[in-house]
Amino acid sequence: AQSVTQLGSHVSVSEGALVLLRCNYSSSVPPYLFWYVQYPNQGLQLLLKYTSAATLVKGINGFEAEFKKSETSFHLTKPSAHMSDAAEYFCAVKNTGNQFYFGTGTSLTVIP
Amino acid sequence: ETGVTQTPRHLVMGMTNKKSLKCEQHLGHNAMYWYKQSAKKPLELMFVYNFKEQTENNSVPSRFSPECPNSSHLFLHLHTLQPEDSALYLCASSQDIADNTEAFFGQGTRLTVV
Repeated sequence: AQSVTQLGSHVSVSEGALVLLRCNYSSSVPPYLFWYVQYPNQGLQLLLKYTSAATLVKGINGFEAEFKKSETSFHLTKPSAHMSDAAEYFCAVKNTGNQFYFGTGTSLTVIP
Repeated sequence: ETGVTQTPRHLVMGMTNKKSLKCEQHLGHNAMYWYKQSAKKPLELMFVYNFKEQTENNSVPSRFSPECPNSSHLFLHLHTLQPEDSALYLCASSQDIADNTEAFFGQGTRLTVV
């Protein structure tokens, strides 16, 4: 069975500071991994995805994530936080089959 | 035009009512999904359709009844719901159900059962 753990349900950073949102997965085979962002009263929007090409994946809005098999991690980072980055972020894993397994989400607050 | 459109955006219904949620995708995708998003819980996959055929039903109560008349439209028919069914219901689509295809989500329907 697949699962995703997002450490920290709430993260606060100052504007301009590094954003680090953690995601660990459990999977018996190399998975496909995704990060989604959800703004208030909106659906989920894809930020980036890992599909076994490069381990460092660049996404939209300056976000990137690194797949580390040895750590079973896929942490999301952004060098400099912007006020518009305040949102809920979800990590998801998908492999054989057609189910996405989502984490419980991390709410990012950006402090001016 | 947005890729995945859900209507209505908000719905309040009594426990004895019957209502339907609608989802339409304009992306030419072949797979469509219903998810339930409740506070403090992971997104719960409810149903998956691939080429109009249901491929997943994650032990969803029968008071939720999906319908997929074609690859572009997906409905969720609701009847005799419970207050704990109040949640954000998200529709999504993907090119197909292959492992590496991402899902595109609609904006959701905020359902309140009173």
